[in-house]
Amino acid sequence: DIQMNQSPSSLSASLGDTITITCHASQNINVWLSWYQQKPGNIPKLLIYKASNLHTGVPSRFSGSGSGTGFTLTISSLQPEDIATYYCQQGQSYPRTFGGGTKLEIK
Amino acid sequence: EVLLQQSGPELVKPGASVKIPCKASGYTFTDYNMDWVKQSHGKSLEWIGDINPNNGGTIYNQKFKGKATLTVDKSSSTAYMELRSLTSEDTAVYYCARSKYGNPWFAYWGQGTLVTVSA
Repeated sequence: DIQMNQSPSSLSASLGDTITITCHASQNINVWLSWYQQKPGNIPKLLIYKASNLHTGVPSRFSGSGSGTGFTLTISSLQPEDIATYYCQQGQSYPRTFGGGTKLEIK
Repeated sequence: EVLLQQSGPELVKPGASVKIPCKASGYTFTDYNMDWVKQSHGKSLEWIGDINPNNGGTIYNQKFKGKATLTVDKSSSTAYMELRSLTSEDTAVYYCARSKYGNPWFAYWGQGTLVTVSA
């Protein structure tokens, strides 16, 4: 199975900040990496697919980059509604696997 | 509008089974696979498996083989996941989520079904 290692596991930042979450795959996954946002008590919501493609309706302050084994999710100009846990997921092979999550808090 | 409607919370006894439906609407059911994902309280997401509604073909995470069985009813556009021999380790929220061959991401999710295993 492909292991997905996310860091940091938690992050505290101020409104207006730019933050970056990283995801490292245990083997080459090309660009088959997606990012999800899950707010407390809610379902996961797709943000980014194929490493850098913004899903419909997702604000442009979210962006993704990377290929191979290293990927990043960047949120610029942090907003209060960005408080959530963020997960990466690989779609290169079965079984699909998710990262452990990054819990984002506002200072 | 794409909707995946799951059933309400389930309280089941250890050793029992439960079958969770996921009714799809707003798209052609057989054009997309249906995946299932487990989320234990406060934990990350675990992929259980997926099913091709067109031919019933399934792919399982080895970890869930023998635990989960995925089926579909094309006539009602409903996917099902049956969990058997339940233990406290199976207490979790279970989601259905839509995917497509060549598009291995989940743009649409059901609202989740909480399964609590308790005597």
